[in-house]
Amino acid sequence: DTEVTQTPKHLVMGMTNKKSLKCEQHMGHRAMYWYKQKAKKPPELMFVYSYEKLSINESVPSRFSPECPNSSLLNLHLHALQPEDSALYLCASSPYFETSGSKSYNEQFFGPGTRLTVL
Amino acid sequence: SQKIEQNSEALNIQEGKTATLTCNYTNYSPAYLQWYRQDPGRGPVFLLLIRENEKEKRKERLKVTFDTTLKQSLFHITASQPADSATYLCALPGPGKLIFGQGTTLQVKP
Repeated sequence: DTEVTQTPKHLVMGMTNKKSLKCEQHMGHRAMYWYKQKAKKPPELMFVYSYEKLSINESVPSRFSPECPNSSLLNLHLHALQPEDSALYLCASSPYFETSGSKSYNEQFFGPGTRLTVL
Repeated sequence: SQKIEQNSEALNIQEGKTATLTCNYTNYSPAYLQWYRQDPGRGPVFLLLIRENEKEKRKERLKVTFDTTLKQSLFHITASQPADSATYLCALPGPGKLIFGQGTTLQVKP
């Protein structure tokens, strides 16, 4: 199995709702990522988990709360979002977490994304 | 600070021609560079990785070059087809993450 799956594909929520995005991979990858992508912009990193521990938080507002229950699963809990948070949310995985200065080569496998609309 | 530029936001070419996309970077000496393809509303798909000690890499109709002196990578699609229409992103390794260029949207017309 060489794919990353994400559910749901589409999500519409109000500003007072609580919802969760889910991501799953069965490639044995030890690093998992959440990205946010706005139209006509590149993916913007939000969080990185390495061996189920949060390694990078790119100063993301606390209304986004990541969780890594095990090595195959990654969740993103959403609460009190704003309309400007509407975007495509992408999950990705890679064999390992690459530290600064590493000479290793590490492609990322992306899921299809969740299209989130906040009303 | 590190900066990545993909020169063209959009590129239109005729079917059968070779598409050439450019990725330039500054203030940076990456160990490798990656190219991804992204279709509308979908996640990026990895295409090719080229290492700093490689000048050229090929995969079917795709060819990537990497000039560390010019700080530039060129991405070529030969014998282009309408199915090649997509956004192409170059990406370089940052501290614990990939840094993506803005992308070039390629449109191949029949």
